[in-house]
Amino acid sequence: TQLLEQSPQFLSIQEGENLTVYCNSSSVFSSLQWYRQEPGEGPVLLVTVVTGGEVKKLKRLTFQFGDARKDSSLHITAAQPGDTGLYLCAGKSGTYKYIFGTGTRLKVLA
Amino acid sequence: DSGVTQTPKHLITATGQRVTLRCSPRSGDLSVYWYQQSLDQGLQFLIQYYNGEERAKGNILERFSAQQFPDLHSELNLSSLELGDSALYFCASSVAPQQETQYFGPGTRLLVL
Repeated sequence: TQLLEQSPQFLSIQEGENLTVYCNSSSVFSSLQWYRQEPGEGPVLLVTVVTGGEVKKLKRLTFQFGDARKDSSLHITAAQPGDTGLYLCAGKSGTYKYIFGTGTRLKVLA
Repeated sequence: DSGVTQTPKHLITATGQRVTLRCSPRSGDLSVYWYQQSLDQGLQFLIQYYNGEERAKGNILERFSAQQFPDLHSELNLSSLELGDSALYFCASSVAPQQETQYFGPGTRLLVL
């Protein structure tokens, strides 16, 4: 069974701090995605990384795909209250299926 | 607003009952995915359809079934409901099954009492 473990599970930080969320697996994925989900809503895609070692930036968010395509990280610089939410990574398994990570619940305090 | 609609938004029912959840994909999307999100299991992929045909199956119980109709809307049928089926059920859609970007609907919150 393919699993994607995320750490930390919960994170509460002050506005302006930096943080990193990790997504790890023993399996290789052809691509990996990061989503943010807010209460009462469905997940919203933030980024897709495809190549091992790939780094993508989305404003204050930096995403990296591990060289072996088994892990990924999400780094947020100068976190803001609007970054609060559940962050999910998802690895593409086979052609059509996505395996979602266990999730990291982030709260940024003003 | 992702463009994916799901009904109903909330559903309360009793054990042993059967319910149907409905999903309309974004205009132009041919592929529909169903997911279950619970506190202890996270977001689990259930099943995927493309243009009316089943394309991939995940952790879907035998008591659950789904289909995609010619107008591309999809229904997820849950029968012989158990307390543990209480969860958020999400539908997502994409243009094609291998398309990287899935758009998620707002979900249906199911409570089985």
